[in-house]
Amino acid sequence: DAGVIQSPRHEVTEMGQEVTLRCKPISGHDYLFWYRQTMMRGLELLIYFNNNVPIDDSGMPEDRFSAKMPNASFSTLKIQPSEPRDSAVYFCASSPTLIHQPQHFGDGTRLSIL
Amino acid sequence: AQKITQTQPGMFVQEKEAVTLDCTYDTSDPSYGLFWYKQPSSGEMIFLIYQGSYDQQNATEGRYSLNFQKARKSANLVISASQLGDSAMYFCAMREEAGGNEKLTFGTGTRLTIIP
Repeated sequence: DAGVIQSPRHEVTEMGQEVTLRCKPISGHDYLFWYRQTMMRGLELLIYFNNNVPIDDSGMPEDRFSAKMPNASFSTLKIQPSEPRDSAVYFCASSPTLIHQPQHFGDGTRLSIL
Repeated sequence: AQKITQTQPGMFVQEKEAVTLDCTYDTSDPSYGLFWYKQPSSGEMIFLIYQGSYDQQNATEGRYSLNFQKARKSANLVISASQLGDSAMYFCAMREEAGGNEKLTFGTGTRLTIIP
């Protein structure tokens, strides 16, 4: 079975540029989550979707961050304009409907903003 | 208040010894799930084990078991017969229903190093 697929695996760009991270969840999973991991702040939930609808975006740090889920098999996290402090590993995860199901994580995107 | 507390930032354990990683949680929700994830140096997050709040028995998955003490609000991960490949960061997480909006909270993690 294919797991959660994230692209790109690595992204290096200059500050001010737009960055788009992509995620394909596991087929049949109704929930999709975006996380950010840094040494200083650990693993932070940015936003999650249920059936393509954003449910909780309280973790999105600023208006520069936006996330969309146009269909059940694709989501994007966009940063515009990017800043050096956005450098982190960004994970996408998906899970089935029930609360008592684990989240399955993608391999992450390592983002470096110069 | 912290929802998930992992008090051990780092641990060193001799190979083949058992190891217990501590996790305490805080919730007033009667329905919740507790999870442990492993993150090796390669970076991926690997699901290890799950315990539901209504489960009567402690969860086990191979060498992993979860010591669930509901009254104490603790969900410690036990790894038996540790191996060098167990060296990694370990995260405890809790998922709550929170009145219809799901909440998932991760602890700060414990870095486990297995010594040959």
